[in-house]
Amino acid sequence: GQQLNQSPQSMFIQEGEDVSMNCTSSSIFNTWLWYKQDPGEGPVLLIALYKAGELTSNGRLTAQFGITRKDSFLNISASIPSDVGIYFCAGRINSGYALNFGKGTSLLVTP
Amino acid sequence: NAGVTQTPKFQVLKTGQSMTLQCAQDMNHEYMSWYRQDPGMGLRLIHYSVGAGITDQGEVPNGYNVSRSTTEDFPLRLLSAAPSQTSVYFCASSFSVARRNTGELFFGEGSRLTVL
Repeated sequence: GQQLNQSPQSMFIQEGEDVSMNCTSSSIFNTWLWYKQDPGEGPVLLIALYKAGELTSNGRLTAQFGITRKDSFLNISASIPSDVGIYFCAGRINSGYALNFGKGTSLLVTP
Repeated sequence: NAGVTQTPKFQVLKTGQSMTLQCAQDMNHEYMSWYRQDPGMGLRLIHYSVGAGITDQGEVPNGYNVSRSTTEDFPLRLLSAAPSQTSVYFCASSFSVARRNTGELFFGEGSRLTVL
């Protein structure tokens, strides 16, 4: 599959701080998705993006579909301890099924 | 709402043993898939199916077999387990492309497999 470069690999922050992570690819995607995986659970969808330039929020989370269609970022504002987990970006090249996943960003939040 | 159900949650095997990881979904999803998750490697697609009787290989299919005899079930078989197959396995499903496919995958809780 097409490689997605997700960064940073891990983050260790204090409660209340804002978080930013991003995903880049050498290929053009028509869908970007952000998932969160809680410890011991399967990933759950946070935000889906379908148009270049699209900016979408879900509570304290905001994600954008890059204009070049080769990148996306996820911001978390005012982090809380339950934000702990692994965040994955995923992209889809065409209207088919295949999703390419980034390697994940591990987030730790201290009270 | 059961969603995607995987069994067993934990399994320890010896090298050379065979086993089947079970996956069932009750959402009438056409598409089902298996991923493995390893530290620092993210989620890698093993096999997938777009409907009953249809399966195809993903990125890392070697050492695994699948079948799809019903819409609900998609078992993953390890014929001769190897230590390199120690991993966490996730089953995921979604609607078909022709029917409300938004790209969202629904994941099970995972099956943690250790091969000694």
